[in-house]
Amino acid sequence: GAGVSQSPSNKVTEKGKDVELRCDPISGHTALYWYRQSLGQGLEFLIYFQGNSAPDKSGLPSDRFSAERTGGSVSTLTIQRTQQEDSAVYLCASSARRKWGSLTDTQYFGPGTRLTVL
Amino acid sequence: AQSVSQHNHHVILSEAASLELGCNYSYGGTVNLFWYVQYPGQHLQLLLKYFSGDPLVKGIKGFEAEFIKSKFSFNLRKPSVQWSDTAEYFCAVNEGTGFQKLVFGTGTRLLVSP
Repeated sequence: GAGVSQSPSNKVTEKGKDVELRCDPISGHTALYWYRQSLGQGLEFLIYFQGNSAPDKSGLPSDRFSAERTGGSVSTLTIQRTQQEDSAVYLCASSARRKWGSLTDTQYFGPGTRLTVL
Repeated sequence: AQSVSQHNHHVILSEAASLELGCNYSYGGTVNLFWYVQYPGQHLQLLLKYFSGDPLVKGIKGFEAEFIKSKFSFNLRKPSVQWSDTAEYFCAVNEGTGFQKLVFGTGTRLLVSP
């Protein structure tokens, strides 16, 4: 079946411009995550959506970063007034459901969007 | 805060050599443990996972990992590597109480020479 898809695959922008990154999760997956993979920093959690619950934004590095998820499916990560340190690969993942205190479902990752801020 | 350490940043092996990649985590409660692999030019894929039960977990492509709770470790092993195992390997942990944020190690780049 179709996996997680992300667009664009590459984005080059100038410092100070806004960018939007899109994620289409696996159909039927209720949980959606954004991570950032920076050179030398590894993978960092950014934000998490689960169903209709309020998102957990604890990983967003600044108020220039925001994300929304429309209709419980597609998500958009927006970075305003981009800075050079925002250059990274932005990864989206989805999982089927959330269970308290027992098994958790595996996160499946998309191919990422490589963002370069000049 | 939860943290994950991967002590080997770069590993170079010849084909047929045995592999062991170290992973240690800091959280003392219930955890779920994962190894992901990223082949050159490809996206992250799950190799194996541990939620509960038998601490020796078998994954795809002949990989296995052992959860040792007393050592806070989840090392990845393969008895005989192949050139096609050249990739970056990430250990990840999330707390087993519900919230599924993954905390990743910094990754280990494995190069297998033919």
